[in-house]
Amino acid sequence: GQNIDQPTEMTATEGAIVQINCTYQTSGFNGLFWYQQHAGEAPTFLSYNVLDGLEEKGRFSSFLSRSKGYSYLLLKELQMKDSASYLCAVRSDYKLSFGAGTTVTVRA
Amino acid sequence: DAGITQSPRYKITETGRQVTLMCHQTWSHSYMFWYRQDLGHGLRLIYYSAAADITDKGEVPDGYVVSRSKTENFPLTLESATRSQTSVYFCASSSSAGYTFGSGTRLTVV
Repeated sequence: GQNIDQPTEMTATEGAIVQINCTYQTSGFNGLFWYQQHAGEAPTFLSYNVLDGLEEKGRFSSFLSRSKGYSYLLLKELQMKDSASYLCAVRSDYKLSFGAGTTVTVRA
Repeated sequence: DAGITQSPRYKITETGRQVTLMCHQTWSHSYMFWYRQDLGHGLRLIYYSAAADITDKGEVPDGYVVSRSKTENFPLTLESATRSQTSVYFCASSSSAGYTFGSGTRLTVV
């Protein structure tokens, strides 16, 4: 089975940094994805990690440790438009399994 | 239009009725997926397909039927809708570049 855990909610101030943690226990691993989802919209791709280490893409970075079953998404220089749900997903045999998502609220 | 499209966007149906949700992609991706999204559960896989005429069950397949006679289409049918199937349904396709989701269908069963 798949067990993917992430915090339910986080709040941060505009311009700050927020780190969303994700831990997983899965029966197979072919990579870890992070998606952003605004209310009423489809998930959109943010990042992908298959090897250990940090992947940086603009204001967003994602880290993976396969031995620890751990990943985090780092959002820097937060903007109001970053208020959304962030979904951690593990790929195994072409299938994606998702955590329940973390709702991030950015306050002015 | 290029991409992945779902229809309808919103649907209200009665308990016991059959309803089909449509999904169409223009990229000829081999893999396609159906997920449902409910508060507190995140996205859960219902069915997936590796190619035309090849389908398999996901995490929550009970009460659903899929078919894939053509690569570009992957309809999801609720044979006899129940209130527990009220949800937002997302179709997705995948390539080496990743997974792309449709805009979703919000289904309400009354």
